[in-house]
Amino acid sequence: DQQVKQNSPSLSVQEGRISILNCDYTNSMFDYFLWYKKYPAEGPTFLISISSIKDKNEDGRFTVFLNKSAKHLSLHIVPSQPGDSAVYFCAASSGNTPLVFGKGTRLSVIA
Amino acid sequence: DGGITQSPKYLFRKEGQNVTLSCEQNLNHDAMYWYRQDPGQGLRLIYYSQIVNDFQKGDIAEGYSVSREKKESFPLTVTSAQKNPTAFYLCACKTGAPYNEQFFGPGTRLTVL
Repeated sequence: DQQVKQNSPSLSVQEGRISILNCDYTNSMFDYFLWYKKYPAEGPTFLISISSIKDKNEDGRFTVFLNKSAKHLSLHIVPSQPGDSAVYFCAASSGNTPLVFGKGTRLSVIA
Repeated sequence: DGGITQSPKYLFRKEGQNVTLSCEQNLNHDAMYWYRQDPGQGLRLIYYSQIVNDFQKGDIAEGYSVSREKKESFPLTVTSAQKNPTAFYLCACKTGAPYNEQFFGPGTRLTVL
């Protein structure tokens, strides 16, 4: 039973345009959400996070939106750059429990 | 320079042999984790440890074992009982709540021949 779902395995976006990556969750106890970026054969690197008490968090080109009623979060990258091409993982946790990860979305930014 | 390291980067073993993957951190984090990544499967939790001398099974613990004798170290042994051991293994660590950001090591690619 997947608690965190990323329903789009891949996404292609033109350089300079907006990339929107989506994530849905089923566990209403989750109170902290994170996005990680991963290149092949490397460990994931933390990108941005959001607490359940907020609905938006912004860091430079990256913004995460949280819709608790829909159990949905999204990551917006504006403008998209070729270096953003990677696999993006959504993760969620409740209190001090281990992070639960989605299966990832492969983003390709085309120059 | 603080961080989390895994060694080796690539590891080859014959079928039926146990193998131990190293994970060391100097971030002074209490919690450490082992994940496995397979194509199209995301990151699946194998074992985790919230404190020294204590650890819990994750979602796919069968065929694996761990120890946590020191805060800095959390080695993972892939035993011969693991039916599909070839994978990319990731170690992570995390300080306590409310900071739930996990820091990952560079990973070890294990290939069983």
